[in-house]
Amino acid sequence: QQQVKQSPQSLIVQKGGIPIINCAYENTAFDYFPWYQQFPGKGPALLIAIRPDVSEKKEGRFTISFNKSAKQFSLHIMDSQPGDSATYFCAAVNSGGGADGLTFGKGTHLIIQP
Amino acid sequence: DAGVTQSPTHLIKTRGQQVTLRCSPKSGHDTVSWYQQALGQGPQFIFQYYEEEERQRGNFPDRFSGHQFPNYSSELNVNALLLGDSALYLCASSLVAPNTGELFFGEGSRLTVL
Repeated sequence: QQQVKQSPQSLIVQKGGIPIINCAYENTAFDYFPWYQQFPGKGPALLIAIRPDVSEKKEGRFTISFNKSAKQFSLHIMDSQPGDSATYFCAAVNSGGGADGLTFGKGTHLIIQP
Repeated sequence: DAGVTQSPTHLIKTRGQQVTLRCSPKSGHDTVSWYQQALGQGPQFIFQYYEEEERQRGNFPDRFSGHQFPNYSSELNVNALLLGDSALYLCASSLVAPNTGELFFGEGSRLTVL
């Protein structure tokens, strides 16, 4: 059972455009939602994270929007650059569960064309 | 400040063999988690170690086992390798407290089972 559904699987955007990646979750116990960025040959790196008590969080050009009632959240990348080309993963966890691992989406392969 | 280091970076095994992967956590971190990332998929949680004990396990068989040493470093062992065990194995470190849910990943060990 896939508990975090991510779309689209791949995305091509022109430089300066705003790619949007969407995720939906099922487990209402999840209370921490990070996004990870992974470049080829590297491990995932934390990009930005949100908790369900806020509807939006911005860090630089990256913004998370969160809709608790719909159990959905999304990542927007403003003024996208070719260097943003990577695979992006949304994830979720019940942080109160102590040792619970992150549940990841299947990833979105993003290409920013010059 | 060294981040999470993993070894080996690549290895090839045959079906039925056993493998041991190693991880040194980020300085100051006391908790190590292991994830399996199949090609084109998101990482899947294997288990987490804290105070030299396995605290939580994902949906992986007993062929997957681990260990944490007093210096917080960790090993992942996989016995009776199957073709389906071919994947990137990621180690992630964190602090058990405060539990922010933030994980720092290594670059992984790429295992190929022939």
